[in-house]
Amino acid sequence: AQSVTQLGSHVSVSEGALVLLRCNYSSSVPPYLFWYVQYPNQGLQLLLKYTTGATLVKGINGFEAEFKKSETSFHLTKPSAHMSDAAEYFCAVSSLSGSARQLTFGSGTQLTVLP
Amino acid sequence: DAGVIQSPRHEVTEMGQEVTLRCKPISGHDYLFWYRQTMMRGLELLIYFNNNVPIDDSGMPEDRFSAKMPNASFSTLKIQPSEPRDSAVYFCASSLAGTGSADTQYFGPGTRLTVL
Repeated sequence: AQSVTQLGSHVSVSEGALVLLRCNYSSSVPPYLFWYVQYPNQGLQLLLKYTTGATLVKGINGFEAEFKKSETSFHLTKPSAHMSDAAEYFCAVSSLSGSARQLTFGSGTQLTVLP
Repeated sequence: DAGVIQSPRHEVTEMGQEVTLRCKPISGHDYLFWYRQTMMRGLELLIYFNNNVPIDDSGMPEDRFSAKMPNASFSTLKIQPSEPRDSAVYFCASSLAGTGSADTQYFGPGTRLTVL
């Protein structure tokens, strides 16, 4: 079975400050990892994904995440927060075996950006 | 491309009524997923289809829920009879087979269902 834990259901940062959203996963097989963003009253949009290869993944809107197998983590970062980054962020895992096309989502982290 | 289209965007109904949610996936995509999002349970996969065939419906909560995909461009999720605990946002997503589990799922805007 696979699972995702997002530490911190709410994170607040000041505009221009570093954004760090934490994600830890559990998977019995090599995982594929995703970060999605959800703006109010909208569907989820892919920010970035890790499949294989380079462990530092760059996504849209200046976000990046690093896959650390030893720590079973896939934390999302952005050097400088912008007001438009305020949204809910979801980490998800998809494994290669079994029902391989199922995404298991974390509970989400609501990001607030303060002026 | 228009993206994944869902209708209606909002639905308010009374307990016991039948509710039908609709989804049009991105043209050419061969996987379609139905999710439910609630505050208590987060995002849950209900069912998914591959080439119009249901592959895994283990997430469907009970027999009151059913989903169909009569063709590659249309799917429905039906709740009959509806109950207040079914109130949630229901998302449809689609993807194109390529690299297995790495396939990106594209989400629709969701249907916010309220059952009174």
